[in-house]
Amino acid sequence: DTAVSQTPKYLVTQMGNDKSIKCEQNLGHDTMYWYKQDSKKFLKIMFSYNNKELIINETVPNRFSPKSPDKAHLNLHINSLELGDSAVYFCASSQDHTISSYNEQFFGPGTRLTVL
Amino acid sequence: GENVEQHPSTLSVQEGDSAVIKCTYSDSASNYFPWYKQELGKRPQLIIDIRSNVGEKKDQRIAVTLNKTAKHFSLHITETQPEDSAVYFCAATHHFGAGTRLTVKP
Repeated sequence: DTAVSQTPKYLVTQMGNDKSIKCEQNLGHDTMYWYKQDSKKFLKIMFSYNNKELIINETVPNRFSPKSPDKAHLNLHINSLELGDSAVYFCASSQDHTISSYNEQFFGPGTRLTVL
Repeated sequence: GENVEQHPSTLSVQEGDSAVIKCTYSDSASNYFPWYKQELGKRPQLIIDIRSNVGEKKDQRIAVTLNKTAKHFSLHITETQPEDSAVYFCAATHHFGAGTRLTVKP
């Protein structure tokens, strides 16, 4: 069984469209994350949720809106897609987020988004 | 906010040699320092981590050292093998360095 899964694996769309990426983890973890990996392979944290509550919101355009219906799911909706949004988006989860007992992050397989 | 710098950006070694990757961080409150390996087209996977109450940790051919005073930590891979070739990322909690592309030549 896949621990952290994402759909779709590939997403090709036109500029200006709205799209969503879904993420699910079956590890029983409390914390989930979204990262963006650009063409230079730089991995940047975007959001983090703990038990459905937003705990990290880095400087990300308002066009990006995460939604966590329950602690096993964290979806990412992107409005008005731009060329610069093209990247690989990784979902991840960890057992908890507290600094003193930060745990290993398990990454999903990634979603390659291409905006034309 | 936290800023993590990683060097070198690329590293090429001969099989059997050692490889060292170094990182610095800015936030003295950071307490967790994982290292991830990412093979081409795959997801990052944890290879080793260290917490701030420990100065060194070793797992077979991989070791990590942490100097909290200087705010730097390093990854050491000994007896490198071609399958060690990948991009390696250091991180301070959830802030990642820019990555090091390691190539091990047979």
